[in-house]
Amino acid sequence: DAGVIQSPRHEVTEMGQEVTLRCKPISGHNSLFWYRQTMMRGLELLIYFNNNVPIDDSGMPEDRFSAKMPNASFSTLKIQPSEPRDSAVYFCASSAETANSPLHFGNGTRLTVT
Amino acid sequence: RKEVEQDPGPFNVPEGATVAFNCTYSNSASQSFFWYRQDCRKEPKLLMSVYSSGNEDGRFTAQLNRASQYISLLIRDSKLSDSATYLCVVNHPNDMRFGAGTRLTVKP
Repeated sequence: DAGVIQSPRHEVTEMGQEVTLRCKPISGHNSLFWYRQTMMRGLELLIYFNNNVPIDDSGMPEDRFSAKMPNASFSTLKIQPSEPRDSAVYFCASSAETANSPLHFGNGTRLTVT
Repeated sequence: RKEVEQDPGPFNVPEGATVAFNCTYSNSASQSFFWYRQDCRKEPKLLMSVYSSGNEDGRFTAQLNRASQYISLLIRDSKLSDSATYLCVVNHPNDMRFGAGTRLTVKP
């Protein structure tokens, strides 16, 4: 079975540009999570969806960040406009809808904003 | 106070040593617990779940203390390949919170 698939693996962009990160969760998983990881702040939960509905977006840094999940097999995280402080590794993860289900992570997108 | 706090590390140990990590959590309603391992420039990967009665997987033992709200991970007979960052994870359903991670380096 394919795991969580993220694209692109690497993204280098200039400040002010729009960035879109993509994620395909594991088939049959009902929950999807977006995390950001930096050396300074560790792994931070940005937003999570359950059955395609955003449940908690309190971790989204500001209005420049938005996330969507139009169907069970696809989600996007968009940053517009991007800033150098957004540089980080962005992970998508999915889990089955049970209280004890662990997360399965994608390979991550390494974003560099210059 | 952070929801999930871990030993700051780093831990540098010789091969064959036993090492233990602790992690405390603040939400008493948390229902499930995990340890993840993350190698440099890779994604976190599930190491083991943590069950109320404690559980063991080879050289790894995980324990949960609900009364004191902490979980622990014990690694026996450590190997060079155990070098990684270990993250504890606390879940109150579908809200997974990660600790900052503890860096372990096992040296020859």
